[in-house]
Amino acid sequence: KQEVTQIPAALSVPEGENLVLNCSFTDSAIYNLQWFRQDPGKGLTSLLLIQSSQREQTSGRLNASLDKSSGRSTLYIAASQPGDSATYLCAVTSGNTGKLIFGQGTTLQVKP
Amino acid sequence: DTGVSQNPRHKITKRGQNVTFRCDPISEHNRLYWYRQTLGQGPEFLTYFQNEAQLEKSRLLSDRFSAERPKGSFSTLEIQRTEQGDSAMYLCASSSRSSGSYEQYFGPGTRLTVT
Repeated sequence: KQEVTQIPAALSVPEGENLVLNCSFTDSAIYNLQWFRQDPGKGLTSLLLIQSSQREQTSGRLNASLDKSSGRSTLYIAASQPGDSATYLCAVTSGNTGKLIFGQGTTLQVKP
Repeated sequence: DTGVSQNPRHKITKRGQNVTFRCDPISEHNRLYWYRQTLGQGPEFLTYFQNEAQLEKSRLLSDRFSAERPKGSFSTLEIQRTEQGDSAMYLCASSSRSSGSYEQYFGPGTRLTVT
């Protein structure tokens, strides 16, 4: 059974700092991995999707990497801003259905 | 705005009542998913449709829950005889095969409170 774990559960950093969020999964037979952002009481916004054949994806100040063999992904946020404060969720898909298995999320606070 | 809409956004109901939620996916997306999220947790998969066919249901989806997607367009999720444990955010997502991936786009969710 696939399990996804995110560490740390919460993180507080000063504005401008670079930071890394971690995601690990138990079954390396994944189809793809998605990182999402969730603001309080809101739905999920897709940030990056990495297909199983890829090693990383970049969008603006965000860079996500994937190491299938070790069951790990990282989300790197450069030059953090207070507007980056949110919960970041990692999710993997495996098999044909595409259903997502989520971690519990990392809640990030960026202090001005 | 991802293009996926959900209604209502909030629902407060008394225990034992029936509730129905609606999801309108991105129009060209053939896959539609329902997830449930409780406070402080990641979303959990409930069920999945490809076009109008419901192809998978989680064990979380008890017999009080039913979902439909007539004509492969919008979807409804009904909960009968609601219980306090049903209080959660219900999220809908849609996807299609593009560039070899099924990237999922989520709606804003329906927050259910059972009193």
